[in-house]
Amino acid sequence: SYVLTQPPSVSVAPGETTRLTCVEYDIGSKSVHWYQQKPGQAPLLVIHYDTKRPSGIPERFSASNAGNTATLTITEVEAGDEADYFCQMWDNAIDHPVFGGGTKLTVL
Amino acid sequence: QVQLQESGPGLVRPSETLSLTCAVSRYSISTGYNWGWIRQPPGKGLEWVGNFFRGGRTKYNPSLKSRVVISVDTSKNQLYLELNSMGAADSAIYYCARHRESGPFDFWGQGTLVTVSS
Repeated sequence: SYVLTQPPSVSVAPGETTRLTCVEYDIGSKSVHWYQQKPGQAPLLVIHYDTKRPSGIPERFSASNAGNTATLTITEVEAGDEADYFCQMWDNAIDHPVFGGGTKLTVL
Repeated sequence: QVQLQESGPGLVRPSETLSLTCAVSRYSISTGYNWGWIRQPPGKGLEWVGNFFRGGRTKYNPSLKSRVVISVDTSKNQLYLELNSMGAADSAIYYCARHRESGPFDFWGQGTLVTVSS
């Protein structure tokens, strides 16, 4: 079964670009989804099916998925982007979803 | 937009059974999609609990399989979770969410905190 590995924490200065990774062997052959979770709130879907932005998600959020790494990119980072970010995929082998451990993004 | 609202007891005693309800509005459960429960221990990551699939099939996290039951009442447009033999490790925020087939959880409830304590 898949184990999605995310760095526990990432820091970025306002206005900069940050890239959050989700690593697993051959993850590029799967569809990956990304969630943003701010303190005290439910997760919010920010990217689905590798690269697609749901309605209402700013264009500053983009993503890619190839090889062993899925990447969520946030450009022109704002203080309001400070949150936990989780990746998720469906593991066909075990027929259920798998979440990464999450990355805490700190905006300096 | 689809709205989901969890409800249930905030405190459960060890060994008892947790019963949670998820009320869905602005979308009919019977129309389609799958429906799931996800939990999150305070300060930790997300753990999938189980799904109710279109057509009535259920699937549970193997680590909980013997203790969990998920069901729906289409007449009330509600999703339910029952988790028995509750222990301290089951203390968490429990979320219900709409799930696209083999895809993302696109709409989430705000979550309900459940604490297991005597």
